[in-house]
Amino acid sequence: DAGVIQSPRHEVTEMGQEVTLRCKPISGHNSLFWYRQTMMRGLELLIYFNNNVPIDDSGMPEDRFSAKMPNASFSTLKIQPSEPRDSAVYFCASSRFEKLFFGSGTQLSVL
Amino acid sequence: AQSVTQLGSHVSVSEGALVLLRCNYSSSVPPYLFWYVQYPNQGLQLLLKYTTGATLVKGINGFEAEFKKSETSFHLTKPSAHMSDAAEYFCAVSRGNQGGSEKLVFGKGTKLTVNP
Repeated sequence: DAGVIQSPRHEVTEMGQEVTLRCKPISGHNSLFWYRQTMMRGLELLIYFNNNVPIDDSGMPEDRFSAKMPNASFSTLKIQPSEPRDSAVYFCASSRFEKLFFGSGTQLSVL
Repeated sequence: AQSVTQLGSHVSVSEGALVLLRCNYSSSVPPYLFWYVQYPNQGLQLLLKYTTGATLVKGINGFEAEFKKSETSFHLTKPSAHMSDAAEYFCAVSRGNQGGSEKLVFGKGTKLTVNP
């Protein structure tokens, strides 16, 4: 298996632009998580899905953030409009039997 | 609510020396506990986990951790550090069999440096 695949690896954008991050979980995993990692706040859970249904989005910082999982093999995290304080590494992870598998992350820089 | 505190954001050891990374947790229900490792420019990888049963848990790469309920601790150790152990290590807690066990709360991480 190729593992959790995230794209793009790096994204540089200007404040106010829309950003879409993509994730392909490991086949057969029924849970998917979006995390954000910053120096100041560490690793924060933004949202997680179980069987494609959003279960807990209490970590989504504000309405500018949205996430979808239209099917078992694809999820997106969208930020619109983006702001400099959104700069971080965003990780997607999928899990089975309480073991998380992380993707390599998307390094987002908002100028 | 659950939380994790990792004591020491940076730890430096010599190659061959003991590695000890400290983690204390807070949980209102019996927890599941995890250690993850992150190498530069990569995602986190599971080192080991404690769910129930034996309190001394062995993981990959020679690491182990001991669950001590009385001390609310889950410290990570390795008898002899190797240069390849240099990475950032994260302790995490979940609600265990009370439901929502996959929703992990992570500590802030400890960056391990191994000196030759």
